[in-house]
Amino acid sequence: ETGVTQTPRHLVMGMTNKKSLKCEQHLGHNAMYWYKQSAKKPLELMFVYNFKEQTENNSVPSRFSPECPNSSHLFLHLHTLQPEDSALYLCASSPLLGTQETQYFGPGTRLLVL
Amino acid sequence: KQEVTQIPAALSVPEGENLVLNCSFTDSAIYNLQWFRQDPGKGLTSLLLIQSSQREQTSGRLNASLDKSSGRSTLYIAASQPGDSATYLCAVPSAGSYQLTFGKGTKLSVIP
Repeated sequence: ETGVTQTPRHLVMGMTNKKSLKCEQHLGHNAMYWYKQSAKKPLELMFVYNFKEQTENNSVPSRFSPECPNSSHLFLHLHTLQPEDSALYLCASSPLLGTQETQYFGPGTRLLVL
Repeated sequence: KQEVTQIPAALSVPEGENLVLNCSFTDSAIYNLQWFRQDPGKGLTSLLLIQSSQREQTSGRLNASLDKSSGRSTLYIAASQPGDSATYLCAVPSAGSYQLTFGKGTKLSVIP
C-alpha cells in the first residue's frame, strides 16, 4: 500500500455517460497528479494540483475535468468520452511540487469506453 | 523535448540470473532519474531515485547507475527471483520542470 487509493478500480462506460474517478491520499502531501497510461505508450501527465490549485493542464481535452476540493482528494470527471480514452488512469501525490520529490502512485482505475 | 527510451521492451530470464535494464534520455540537463516498478493492473512503486550528482544508488539487490553526460542509466538486478517479474519504468524531470517523462518500460519475466 502506497497511501494513495483510487476508486473505482474498474469502470466501463458508454460514450454518452458521465462518471467520476476518485483519488485520496493519506500521506499529508500537497501536490497531486493525474496520469493516463495507454497500451504501448508511456505514461502521460494530464493535470497537476499544488495546494488545491491547478498548475498544469497538458492539453487535455475538455471532456476530462479535474477537481481538487482539498489537498487529500482529487477527482477526474468524465463526460462524452471516446473509445480511444480507454486506458489506465493513475493518480499520484508528492509532499511538495518539485523535481526532487518522489511521487507515490495509486493502483489506478482501468477505464473502458464502449 | 525530453524523450526516454527503454531497451529491451521485454526480457525473460531464468531465476538466479543477474540482469541489466537500460534507459536512455535525450536531454542530459536532468536533476535526477527514478526507477519504478509496475505490477500487472497496479500502480507504480518507486524503487530508486538517483540524483544527478550521484553515479550510483543501491537498494538491496537493486543497483541503479547514472551517466548524465551520455544520457544513460542502468538498473542492475542481482540474483533475480520470480517475484521480480514486473514492468520496470524509468522517468526523468527535465531542467526547469517538475514534470516527469517516462519510458515505455521493460517487461521482465523471471522463470522459476
